[in-house]
Amino acid sequence: QVQLVESGGNVVQPGRSLRLSCAASGLTFNKYAMHWVRQAPGKGLEWVAVISYDGSKKYYADSVRGRFTISRDNSKNTLYLQMNSLRAEDTAIFYCARDGSEVASGSLDYWGQGTLVTVSS
Amino acid sequence: QSALTQPASVSGSPGQSITISCTGTSSDVGGYSYVSWYQQHPGKAPKLMIYDVNNRPSGVPDRFSGSKSGNTASLTISGLQTEDEADYYCSSYTSSSTWVFGGGTKLTVL
Repeated sequence: QVQLVESGGNVVQPGRSLRLSCAASGLTFNKYAMHWVRQAPGKGLEWVAVISYDGSKKYYADSVRGRFTISRDNSKNTLYLQMNSLRAEDTAIFYCARDGSEVASGSLDYWGQGTLVTVSS
Repeated sequence: QSALTQPASVSGSPGQSITISCTGTSSDVGGYSYVSWYQQHPGKAPKLMIYDVNNRPSGVPDRFSGSKSGNTASLTISGLQTEDEADYYCSSYTSSSTWVFGGGTKLTVL
């Protein structure tokens, strides 16, 4: 069955960096766009970034553009999120999710369990 | 990238129907047929309930339906069941090639 497993969440000081990973199994990883979505404690969902199936196209939310970089390694079935210049407001559970649509319409049909990032001094 | 507007809460009794609205602009909801709806139970990852405005993934009960009119999308749940109690989020593609979520709606089944 399809599994997405995030890792890399941790407690980090403001201004530092962190890299999240999302290991995929049970799906043809290189056929689908992938998204990162986050959820601050007690708050709603916030879309973060998307990468096309082949890594050629990447788009970001205004709140993270210029600080976060999404990437993927299709040979390793793994999605990444490099987060630099972290701020307290980046504290959240980060989910990776598969875009199940052939046209990448944002139908996120599989989600990981999430990994917690806490930005605090 | 302003969040889509959803009511903070809705409630209904078992067996009743409820509708959750999701209002955006012509640059997101009104401009594309790429609206999705997600259900999230406490401590769990979101689950896709509706995609592309009115399509249900396999396994989602046909009690769940979606629609759109102008800049407002809607999720309707008929024949409410206690297990439907959860948070619901809409999402839309935008003209900036990004996505935006609604603020979320807490559904209480009385």
